[in-house]
Amino acid sequence: AQTVTQSQPEMSVQEAETVTLSCTYDTSESDYYLFWYKQPPSRQMILVIRQEAYKQQNATENRFSVNFQKAAKSFSLKISDSQLGDAAMYFCALLSGTYKYIFGTGTRLKVLA
Amino acid sequence: NAGVTQTPKFQVLKTGQSMTLQCAQDMNHNSMYWYRQDPGMGLRLIYYSASEGTTDKGEVPNGYNVSRLNKREFSLRLESAAPSQTSVYFCASRDDLAANVLTFGAGSRLTVL
Repeated sequence: AQTVTQSQPEMSVQEAETVTLSCTYDTSESDYYLFWYKQPPSRQMILVIRQEAYKQQNATENRFSVNFQKAAKSFSLKISDSQLGDAAMYFCALLSGTYKYIFGTGTRLKVLA
Repeated sequence: NAGVTQTPKFQVLKTGQSMTLQCAQDMNHNSMYWYRQDPGMGLRLIYYSASEGTTDKGEVPNGYNVSRLNKREFSLRLESAAPSQTSVYFCASRDDLAANVLTFGAGSRLTVL
């Protein structure tokens, strides 16, 4: 069975500091995709970053980067220079197989001014 | 460029009533999805449709029916609503040619009394 685990229900970070959100997953597939989605209070789900499992290089999008450890089945999200607008729920997701995405339970990030 | 449009955004039903959540996308995507989001449980897949005319059950299909009317539209129907179906519902579509990114609608909050 495929699973995604986010063990941190809530995290806090000071504005301008760096924070890392954890995600571990399990799949028996060799080819898969991993995603981080952000859900602000507006409720809209927004893609933050994605990673193809066959790529060894960690994905980066501006202040957002991932630490993809394939052997450990770990996919953490690092947010640098945190901003007030980063406050949201963050969901880790796995696409393993053709159509089914598995989502973690989410981490609520608070950004302190 | 509207993306994924869901209606209604809010709905209150009484137990036993029926209703249909509508979803339409204008991105020419083949795959469409319905998820429900409950506190502490992330997003769980109700049904998905890989292409026009096909639908498949997800993780929590009981009590729901879907219809892929055409390539653009994918509706979710509750035939006899139950309080356990109180949730936020998300429709999503997938760009099969862009690293499998899901684009979400704004969500529909449904309350069953």
